[in-house]
Amino acid sequence: DAEITQSPRHKITETGRQVTLACHQTWNHNNMFWYRQDLGHGLRLIHYSYGVQDTNKGEVSDGYSVSRSNTEDLPLTLESAASSQTSVYFCASSQTGRGDEQFFGPGTRLTVL
Amino acid sequence: GENVEQHPSTLSVQEGDSAVIKCTYSDSASNYFPWYKQELGKRPQLIIDIRSNVGEKKDQRIAVTLNKTAKHFSLHITETQPEDSAVYFCAASKGGSEKLVFGKGTKLTVNP
Repeated sequence: DAEITQSPRHKITETGRQVTLACHQTWNHNNMFWYRQDLGHGLRLIHYSYGVQDTNKGEVSDGYSVSRSNTEDLPLTLESAASSQTSVYFCASSQTGRGDEQFFGPGTRLTVL
Repeated sequence: GENVEQHPSTLSVQEGDSAVIKCTYSDSASNYFPWYKQELGKRPQLIIDIRSNVGEKKDQRIAVTLNKTAKHFSLHITETQPEDSAVYFCAASKGGSEKLVFGKGTKLTVNP
C-alpha cells in the first residue's frame, strides 16, 4: 500500500550537531510539507515543496533547510541543532487536483540536549 | 498572512453529550477548511472538511458549519463516545496546493 514514512522515529542529539530527518512517500504526491508540533502551538509549518527542485519557507523556517531532488523524498535538515528545536516533527503530502487533504507521516520525536 | 484562532483549548463532556469547537480565520480568500483529529501519540488524520461554497457538511455524528461573512467555522460532534477523546485541529487554506494554517488545537475529553 502507498504510504508516508518518517525516520528515525526518535532521535536524541546534542546542541550544535547537524541532524537530518527523512520523509518518504510512495503516493507520487507533488506537494510535501514539514511541521513541528509543540504544546500550546499546534502544528506550525517549517518548509514546503510543490515539486522537484521547489522549496519554500514556512512560518518557522529559521535553523531548518530542505531539498527536493525527487518526488518521493523531502529531508529536513537542522544545520546546528538548538534546544529550542526539541519537538515532534511531522511531514505531510498532498496531490494537487485530488482534493486538498494532507496525509501525515507518523512523526519524529527529536530531543536536543 | 492567514491567522486561525481556535477555542476552547480544552473541552470536557459526558459521554452522549454534544461537543462544539469553534475557529475563526482572518484571510477572506481562504476557501478550504479541514478538521484533523489526533489521538495520543498518533499522527493527525482528516475527519471532515468544508469548502466555502457550502455552509454545512455532515458525516454521521460529526458536522462542520461555515459562516463566510463572519469568517468562522465550527466542528460539532453529537452523541460523543470515549473514543472521540483526542486533540482536534482546525485549519484554513486557499485551496489547491496552498499551505494549511492550523489552529492551536482543542483537547477533547469524553468522560464515560
